[in-house]
Amino acid sequence: EDQVTQSPEALRLQEGESSSLNCSYTVSGLRGLFWYRQDPGKGPEFLFTLYSAGEEKEKERLKATLTKKESFLHITAPKPEDSATYLCAVQAASGNTGKLIFGQGTTLQVKP
Amino acid sequence: KAGVTQTPRYLIKTRGQQVTLSCSPISGHRSVSWYQQTPGQGLQFLFEYFSETQRNKGNFPGRFSGRQFSNSRSEMNVSTLELGDSALYLCASSLGDADGGYTFGSGTRLTVV
Repeated sequence: EDQVTQSPEALRLQEGESSSLNCSYTVSGLRGLFWYRQDPGKGPEFLFTLYSAGEEKEKERLKATLTKKESFLHITAPKPEDSATYLCAVQAASGNTGKLIFGQGTTLQVKP
Repeated sequence: KAGVTQTPRYLIKTRGQQVTLSCSPISGHRSVSWYQQTPGQGLQFLFEYFSETQRNKGNFPGRFSGRQFSNSRSEMNVSTLELGDSALYLCASSLGDADGGYTFGSGTRLTVV
């Protein structure tokens, strides 16, 4: 069964304290792995799509990496505005177009 | 460009009633997917429509249904509402091709009392 597990569930950081969020996945052939940010009361906001092991993508203080079994979202020198829930999702290669399987998310709080 | 628009933003219904939610995708996007988000289960896939056809379906009971119109706008319907249907319902649109990204709307918060 296709599955996504994110850790930790919650993370508290001081402003400037770098860290990483983990996303472990089991899928029958990976079409893509997605990272989203979700603020309270809003829909998920797209961050990155990764397609193959070894791929890396960066955006401001965020960097996403992908291996055959997991993905990491590295947050460098975070600011309070980076506080949000970060969601990881996978899309299987076998005919499941449009279906994303989400992890439970990591809720990040960055204190000034 | 305009994003994905979902209406209404908030809805309160009574058990046993039915409800219809609407989603207008980004212009040019032909695929619309629907998700249910609850604190306990997280985001769960309901179904996907592409060019007015249901292309994929999640593990939800038949009370949950949807449709897509020729202009790509989509509606989802929940009949015989149960307390457990209280959730944030999100739709996401994409071009529908294999390399597509998915843009989410802000969701409809449904409360069943």
